[in-house]
Amino acid sequence: DAGVTQSPTHLIKTRGQQVTLRCSPKSGHDTVSWYQQALGQGPQFIFQYYEEEERQRGNFPDRFSGHQFPNYSSELNVNALLLGDSALYLCASSSADSSVRRSPLHFGNGTRLTVT
Amino acid sequence: QQPVQSPQAVILREGEDAVINCSSSKALYSVHWYRQKHGEAPVFLMILLKGGEQKGHDKISASFNEKKQQSSLYLTASQLSYSGTYFCGTVNTGNQFYFGTGTSLTVIP
Repeated sequence: DAGVTQSPTHLIKTRGQQVTLRCSPKSGHDTVSWYQQALGQGPQFIFQYYEEEERQRGNFPDRFSGHQFPNYSSELNVNALLLGDSALYLCASSSADSSVRRSPLHFGNGTRLTVT
Repeated sequence: QQPVQSPQAVILREGEDAVINCSSSKALYSVHWYRQKHGEAPVFLMILLKGGEQKGHDKISASFNEKKQQSSLYLTASQLSYSGTYFCGTVNTGNQFYFGTGTSLTVIP
């Protein structure tokens, strides 16, 4: 049973460029959430996708956008990269039938993005 | 919205006990606890659903005081493998999930 997978594992980009990160949820899960974790900080919620729509969004600018595909996989896009976007980006999957109130989030190993 | 954890960091010798606290300014429905080792994804430890509920997992247990909007994680007889950063995650009545500020735990021989 495959867990949450993310790609790529590492990425180096230059300021002003655009980046796309990918996530495949755990088998049986239909909801994907994205988090940004700066070094030494806790994960910060970016947004959540369910049924191919953004359901919830954290306090992130419009440069951060996403998409969910019919197979429940998801992409995170960041435009006009800033140095401050350097972070570990985590994807977490869950099942809408098993609310986050009662069920754990399952995380991928993340994508380490470095912006130079 | 982000819950505040205390202490920020703690160093223990093997066999010692520790308590990590998580406090929210919002009414909570449930509290999660996760442990993250350096360079790895957070790993789920437990969820507490009801006010006053306590749960245990090996020598790690937790309590949730719904009225005070607080949760505590108890680590007893700590082992080297307990080292990592511990995060609480709170779910408010609007079903929004927020990670806490984190507590770095280091267990030394």
